[in-house]
Formats: sequence, C-alpha cells, structure tokens
Amino acid sequence: KNEVEQSPQNLTAQEGEFITINCSYSVGISALHWLQQHPGGGIVSLFMLSSGKKKHGRLIATINIQEKHSSLHITASHPRDSAVYICGGNLIFGKGTKLSVKP
Amino acid sequence: KAGVTQTPRYLIKTRGQQVTLSCSPISGHRSVSWYQQTPGQGLQFLFEYFSETQRNKGNFPGRFSGRQFSNSRSEMNVSTLELGDSALYLCASSALQGNTEAFFGQGTRLTVV
Repeated sequence: KNEVEQSPQNLTAQEGEFITINCSYSVGISALHWLQQHPGGGIVSLFMLSSGKKKHGRLIATINIQEKHSSLHITASHPRDSAVYICGGNLIFGKGTKLSVKP
Repeated sequence: KAGVTQTPRYLIKTRGQQVTLSCSPISGHRSVSWYQQTPGQGLQFLFEYFSETQRNKGNFPGRFSGRQFSNSRSEMNVSTLELGDSALYLCASSALQGNTEAFFGQGTRLTVV
C-alpha cells in the first residue's frame, strides 16, 4: 500500500465544473503540499498546509490532520487547469491526479 | 529572484554510461532535494542535502549519488546507467531543511538507450 494515495487517478471535467481531488496518507506528515505539474515537466507549489483551509484564487485546499486526509478543490474550472496534481509531504508524494478540463 | 535552474534539460545516454545532473537553487536557499519521476511511480525521493551534508536518502541503489557544494549548488550522478533510469529528474530548493515550502526546477529529462 502506498503511503500517500490520491483519487481519482484521472479526471475529466467540463469547463466551469467544480472539481475535487482527494489525498489520503498513512504516514505522519507535518505539512502537506499540493503541487501542480503542467505538460513539459515544471512543478509549481500550490499550497503547503498543516491545518484547516487555504484559498488562492479559484483553488481551495483543506486538511484534516486527525483523519490524515486532504482535498484540493477547483471552482469554475478552466482548460488551463489541465495538469497533474500531486500531494505529499515529508519527502513522500502520491502518484498524482491527471486532470483534463474540456472547453 | 531567479528560480531553480536545472541543467541540462534533456539528455540521451547509452546503457552503462554515467551521467551528472546539476541543480542551482534559489539564491539564499540551503536545502536541495532530488526526485525521480516516472509515469508508473510518480515522484520518488532520491536524497536531500542541506549545508553540503546529505540529510536524507531515499530507497535507490548506490549507483545514485549526489553532493552539494558550498554555494548550495547540487549535483547528482548516476553510474552504470540502466534503461529503467529513464525518467524526469527534478530538484527542489528550500530555505530550510525538512518539510518546508519547496520550489521545483523544470527538471532534466534523461533517456537511456
């Protein structure tokens, strides 16, 4: 069993839809990262959170430390949100969720 | 402030050869971590360096090694390349050691033929 599990692995949405990506972990992670990777490889750090909720534009990340679970929400999704989203921390990451937003 | 710079961006090597990849962190950052990314395995941690010392090491064979210089620039070396070493190698720069905010480079795409 992987120490960080993401679901779904692949997600296709229509532009404007509300999207949720889930991340569950079985190891102690002091702060969880959400990363975004566009085709071509470059990775951008979206959030680092250790409790509660953070919001940046249309992106919202929540975490429940007791349940070892985090979610990334995208409101009013747009084709430019198409990317792989990766969660993890303490040097351990999930395999990513590939999101495709269709116009 | 310049971002994390990885060189080269693309590399093709033959089985059995060795390769050295370079990572220049953000100015002032003293921690550099290296990751291997493959389609099947996702991001896998290789090693972390802080102040020229290896602080953590992932579960990779001894063919994978690294070092960090006094200016915080880091190199990783893979000897006796295997086909399975084909991957995107990413480095991440942080101001502090451990699980802190990290800034990733664009990666080096290594293809072993």
